[in-house]
Amino acid sequence: AQTVTQSQPEMSVQEAETVTLSCTYDTSENNYYLFWYKQPPSRQMILVIRQEAYKQQNATENRFSVNFQKAAKSFSLKISDSQLGDTAMYFCAFMKPPGKLIFGQGTTLQVKP
Amino acid sequence: NAGVTQTPKFQVLKTGQSMTLQCAQDMNHEYMSWYRQDPGMGLRLIHYSVGAGITDQGEVPNGYNVSRSTTEDFPLRLLSAAPSQTSVYFCASSYTGQGSYEQYFGPGTRLTVT
Repeated sequence: AQTVTQSQPEMSVQEAETVTLSCTYDTSENNYYLFWYKQPPSRQMILVIRQEAYKQQNATENRFSVNFQKAAKSFSLKISDSQLGDTAMYFCAFMKPPGKLIFGQGTTLQVKP
Repeated sequence: NAGVTQTPKFQVLKTGQSMTLQCAQDMNHEYMSWYRQDPGMGLRLIHYSVGAGITDQGEVPNGYNVSRSTTEDFPLRLLSAAPSQTSVYFCASSYTGQGSYEQYFGPGTRLTVT
């Protein structure tokens, strides 16, 4: 069975600085997807970024990028130029197609002014 | 496009009562699923469906039933509510064809069982 581990329950960062959230996973699958979801206090789940396991290039979406290390089964999220609106809980998730998501425990990120 | 909608937003039940959480999507997605989120934990998969008439169990299916008679709707039934089912419930949907597999989530239902 797949597992996803987020070892940082809480993190904080100053506005405009960079922060990295860690995620490791365990799987014997070769074809899978990895996601980072953001959950603000409104509790809506928002997709931040996605990575296909067969792609070597790290995904980037504006201020958000990942460091995907397939051999090490590591999938960290880097947030550059942190903004107050980035304050939220962040979940790392593993998916074997077509859709069963396995989530980590989450990291609460506080961006301080 | 309304996306994924869930009703109700909040619900309080007494132990032993039954109820149905509604989920609907208007994106013609084949794949739909139900998750529950407990404090301090990530979302856990309850049941999922890869198309109308097809459902299967996820990680925590006990105490819940689902059916999928149409592509659009995927209701979750609590047969006899227990305090351990107090949680926030999310419905999600996505395409199953080759692609991004992005799952679109509903706004959630906060359920309290007393």
